[in-house]
Amino acid sequence: AQKITQTQPGMFVQEKEAVTLDCTYDTSDPSYGLFWYKQPSSGEMIFLIYQGSYDQQNATEGRYSLNFQKARKSANLVISASQLGDSAMYFCAMRGYVVQGAQKLVFGQGTRLTINP
Amino acid sequence: DARVTQTPRDKVTEMGQEVTMRCQPILGHNTVFWYRQTMMQGLELLAYFRNRAPLDDSGMPKDRFSAEMPDATLATLKIQPSEPRDSAVYFCASGTNGNTEAFFGQGTRLTVV
Repeated sequence: AQKITQTQPGMFVQEKEAVTLDCTYDTSDPSYGLFWYKQPSSGEMIFLIYQGSYDQQNATEGRYSLNFQKARKSANLVISASQLGDSAMYFCAMRGYVVQGAQKLVFGQGTRLTINP
Repeated sequence: DARVTQTPRDKVTEMGQEVTMRCQPILGHNTVFWYRQTMMQGLELLAYFRNRAPLDDSGMPKDRFSAEMPDATLATLKIQPSEPRDSAVYFCASGTNGNTEAFFGQGTRLTVV
């Protein structure tokens, strides 16, 4: 079975600081993808970044980077130079590619990030 | 501008009534997910389709919920009869088989009174 764990229900960070949101996962699938989504107060789900399990390098997208540690089964999101607009709920998600039944996209419980001016 | 379209955006209904939520996936996407989001349970996967066939609906209460894809451009989620505990935001997302993200619709906010 697949499982995503986000242990930080909420985080408070000063503007312009870097922030790391934790995500650990569990899967029996040998090939899988890890995703981060942002959900602002408006409610929409916005895709941020993707990491494949066989990617050699950590994914980066602008101010977002994914600190992927396969042996530890962790996929932490790092936001550099945080901005007020980064205040939102952040979800880590995973999808398997090989094992039957593991190919659904499952989400963690989320971390509510608040950026203080 | 390709996007997943969900209708209605908001729905208020009385307990016992049938509710139908619709989703138009992005053209060319062959996977569709239905999620329910509540404060208590977070994002729960209700059903998952690939090429219009249901692959996993283990997260869906079978006695009152049903999900279908009548064609590649339409996915539906029905609740009959609806109950107050079904009040939530229901999201549809579409994607492909490959290592790409799923794109979410704006959601349907359902309130059952």
